[in-house]
Order: sequence, then structure tokens, then C-alpha cells
Amino acid sequence: EDQVTQSPEALRLQEGESSSLNCSYTVSGLRGLFWYRQDPGKGPEFLFTLYSAGEEKEKERLKATLTKKESFLHITAPKPEDSATYLCAVGGGATNKLIFGTGTLLAVQP
Amino acid sequence: DVKVTQSSRYLVKRTGEKVFLECVQDMDHENMFWYRQDPGLGLRLIYFSYDVKMKEKGDIPEGYSVSREKKERFSLILESASTNQTSMYLCASGQKNTGELFFGEGSRLTVL
Repeated sequence: EDQVTQSPEALRLQEGESSSLNCSYTVSGLRGLFWYRQDPGKGPEFLFTLYSAGEEKEKERLKATLTKKESFLHITAPKPEDSATYLCAVGGGATNKLIFGTGTLLAVQP
Repeated sequence: DVKVTQSSRYLVKRTGEKVFLECVQDMDHENMFWYRQDPGLGLRLIYFSYDVKMKEKGDIPEGYSVSREKKERFSLILESASTNQTSMYLCASGQKNTGELFFGEGSRLTVL
């Protein structure tokens, strides 16, 4: 059974303090690993897709990396507007069916 | 921009009532999904549909049914609402062979 585990559950950073969020996964065959951002009271918003070990994607202060067992979302010099819940998911393919982790709640204080 | 619109942001229903949650997408996506989101449990897939009139059970289909009569519309039905169905319900759509889902803003259902 496909499984996704995210850590930590919550993370509090000072503005400018870089850190990483972890997503470990067990799947029978990885079709894709996906990162989403969710703001309070809203639906998740797509950030990145990673397909193979060694792949990296960047967007502003965020960089996602992938190994055979886990993915990291690195946040460089975060700002308060980066505060959100970050969700990791595995799946994809023809049906787009995704299995989500429970997320990391990130709070960046000014 | 892709838009996924859910019919109600907030609903309060009584135990035993029938509940309809509707979702419409405007990007001609083949695939549509209903998830529920609960604290500590994350997003769990209830049902999904990969074509008109086609549906497949997700991980927690019990107590729910769905309808997809038109490509752009996917409805979630609670035949007899129960208190354990109090939750945030999220609809999503996406093109096949991508993992990029577009979510609506959610419908927060409270069953008393």
C-alpha cells in the first residue's frame, strides 16, 4: 500500500531562517511526487512535480529534491508570506489519483 | 485561469438529511475528485471519476455516492448524513497523466 509521511508536523521559523521539510514515501512504483501549498480556508495549490531520483525543481525561495525514498522541500530565507501548510503526495498516471501526506504547517515570523 | 467552483462554502445539516455537494470545473479536465480533509488525517480520497458517467471508489467511499452526468460537473451525495461526516470537502480536477490537480476552495459541512 502506498504511503506518504511528512515531518515535522509543524515548523516555526524566523524570517530569513532557512530550513527543510521532509516527505518520505513507500510506493510500489513511483509515477510522480508532488508538492502542494495550502493556505488557511483554501484548497491546495500545486507547486512541483518530481519524477525521478536526483531531480530538482525551484520556484522563488522553494526548492524540491527527490531521492529513491524521500523528498525535501528546502525553503531559503523564508518570508512571512511563505507561511502555509505544505502537502506532499505520490501518484499520478492516467487517473491522477494522489495519496497525500498529512502536511507540515509552516509559520514564518517577522 | 483554471477554476474549480464548489457550490457551498459552509453547510449545516441535521443527522439523516440528504446532502448534495456540487463541483464545476471550466478547463475540460477528464479527471475529477472528491477528498475530505480532517485534522491529523490529511486529505483522503472519497471517489474519483475519469470520464462522464464513470466513477471509482477511493479510500473512504462508505456513506457517499457520486454523480458525473456532464464532463464539467461532479457531485458528491451523502444519502443520510451522520455526525462523523462533519468535515471539509474538497473537489479537484486535472488532466490525465499529470499530478497537477486544481482544487476548489472547499465546502465545510457540519452535521448536527
